[in-house]
Amino acid sequence: QQQVKQSPQSLIVQKGGISIINCAYENTAFDYFPWYQQFPGKGPALLIAIRPDVSEKKEGRFTISFNKSAKQFSLHIMDSQPGDSATYFCAASSRTGNQFYFGTGTSLTVIP
Amino acid sequence: ETGVTQTPRHLVMGMTNKKSLKCEQHLGHNAMYWYKQSAKKPLELMFVYSLEERVENNSVPSRFSPECPNSSHLFLHLHTLQPEDSALYLCASSQGFRQLDYGYTFGSGTRLTVV
Repeated sequence: QQQVKQSPQSLIVQKGGISIINCAYENTAFDYFPWYQQFPGKGPALLIAIRPDVSEKKEGRFTISFNKSAKQFSLHIMDSQPGDSATYFCAASSRTGNQFYFGTGTSLTVIP
Repeated sequence: ETGVTQTPRHLVMGMTNKKSLKCEQHLGHNAMYWYKQSAKKPLELMFVYSLEERVENNSVPSRFSPECPNSSHLFLHLHTLQPEDSALYLCASSQGFRQLDYGYTFGSGTRLTVV
């Protein structure tokens, strides 16, 4: 059973637009939700993360929105740039868990 | 050198070969992981090593064998692989086992092709 479900699988956005990627989870023990960014030929890199005690976290152009009751969280990329073109993974874990559970990834392409 | 370093970056091997993947972390972390990344699938945890514990995914075939000689180095020994084992193998580290507050630091991966 897939612990974290991610959508869409791929996304094409115009430069300057907003990119939105969604994730949903079932395990209510999860209390840490990071997003990773992966460029071709590189490993995933931690982008931004949120805990369920807040509904939103913003770092620059990247924002996580978190809905605890719906068990959903999403990544918003404002003013998307061609350099943001990458694969994005959401993940979830409990703070004392022994692993992260990852979504299947979203391939984002930002066209000039 | 900083971060998590994996070698080799690319590996092509026959099904009867034996090879090893190497991972080294320079972060002072105490837990290291092997993940398998296949297209359109979630990252699959294969093994976890820490000072406290070793955790294995029971679904990982025995043709994959991990070795962790110390907290900075992790190996994945490969033998008699199958074509479906072709994937990107990622090494990651974290500050501690069951201390995931700061996420993982991943290496760049080894792209493995089994022919």
